[in-house]
Amino acid sequence: QKEVEQDPGPLSVPEGAIVSLNCTYSNSAFQYFMWYRQYSRKGPELLMYTYSSGNKEDGRFTAQVDKSSKYISLFIRDSQPSDSATYLCAMTAGGGNKLTFGTGTQLKVEL
Amino acid sequence: KAGVTQTPRYLIKTRGQQVTLSCSPISGHRSVSWYQQTPGQGLQFLFEYFSETQRNKGNFPGRFSGRQFSNSRSEMNVSTLELGDSALYLCASSRGRSGTQYFGPGTRLLVL
Repeated sequence: QKEVEQDPGPLSVPEGAIVSLNCTYSNSAFQYFMWYRQYSRKGPELLMYTYSSGNKEDGRFTAQVDKSSKYISLFIRDSQPSDSATYLCAMTAGGGNKLTFGTGTQLKVEL
Repeated sequence: KAGVTQTPRYLIKTRGQQVTLSCSPISGHRSVSWYQQTPGQGLQFLFEYFSETQRNKGNFPGRFSGRQFSNSRSEMNVSTLELGDSALYLCASSRGRSGTQYFGPGTRLLVL
């Protein structure tokens, strides 16, 4: 079983919808949680970075971390076709830059 | 400020050959990490260098090696290439030993 599980999708939603992306993990040492967006043939781009449990909002994006359930989420409000990409969750225990990634969820926002 | 750059962007090699990939981090960043991305395994950590020293290593065979220079630029080497080494190799830089990592566009390696 992988340390980080993520539904690969694909997930298809209409423009303007609220999108919910999720990851579960098994390593309780993880403290830092990230969401990256990756367009086809590009490197991952950092969207959100959170430490420990709680919520963080940045524009249309909200990241939630529930360490008690080992569950993290990314919400995208008012989704746009330009949001169509693969979304990767990543996490680390700290004390270094070794990130453990989920497999990524492919999102398509349709007009 | 320029982002992380990787060269070359595309590479075709044959089995048994070796390859060297290069990464230039964001100016002022001292940590460089390397990742392998494949459709089957996703993104997997290879190793991290900070101030010219390898600080962390993933679960890859010894054919995968790297180094970092005094200007923080890093190279990754894969010897005796296998078909399964075909992947997108990503480099990420960070200012310190833990913190936000920024990825380059990657080098796409195809082994025939």
